[in-house]
Amino acid sequence: EDKVVQSPLSLVVHEGDTVTLNCSYEVTNFRSLLWYKQEKKAPTFLFMLTSSGIEKKSGRLSSILDKKELFSILNITATQTGDSAVYLCAFLSSSNTGKLIFGQGTTLQVKP
Amino acid sequence: DVKVTQSSRYLVKRTGEKVFLECVQDMDHENMFWYRQDPGLGLRLIYFSYDVKMKEKGDIPEGYSVSREKKERFSLILESASTNQTSMYLCASRHSPGGGYEQYFGPGTRLTVT
Repeated sequence: EDKVVQSPLSLVVHEGDTVTLNCSYEVTNFRSLLWYKQEKKAPTFLFMLTSSGIEKKSGRLSSILDKKELFSILNITATQTGDSAVYLCAFLSSSNTGKLIFGQGTTLQVKP
Repeated sequence: DVKVTQSSRYLVKRTGEKVFLECVQDMDHENMFWYRQDPGLGLRLIYFSYDVKMKEKGDIPEGYSVSREKKERFSLILESASTNQTSMYLCASRHSPGGGYEQYFGPGTRLTVT
């Protein structure tokens, strides 16, 4: 059975800290891994990772995939209170359905 | 910008009622999805649709049905609501095939069944 596991489940940091969120997976027919950010509304897309070792970056957020060890990390540097959210990791199968399998999510709280 | 809208943000229904959750997207996406989100369990796929009048069961279809009569609209139906269907329901859409694989989500409907 395909499985995506995120850790930690929740995290509290102070503004300016750097955080690393983890996503490990046990899946068949891997195609891509996606990260989303969810505040009190719709999840918004952050990154899609397909190749191992290639970092994707957007401002203070970056992410990388390790297909050998079957995990991905999402880094946030110089955190701000606006980074407080649930961060979701999802796996996309190589079948053509577009179906995503999500992890449980990591709840990040950034305190001033 | 892609826009996915859901008919209600909050909904309270009684046990045994029939419940309709509507989702509309304005980007001519072929694929549409219904998830429920519960604390500690993440998003779980209920049903999805490749295209008009096509539907596939997801991981937790029991107690739900769907309807896709028009491309832009995907409805989730709870035939007889039960308290264990209290949850946040999220709709999503994406282009297929050949489009980006990311899904675009609506704002969610928080359903409470009493």
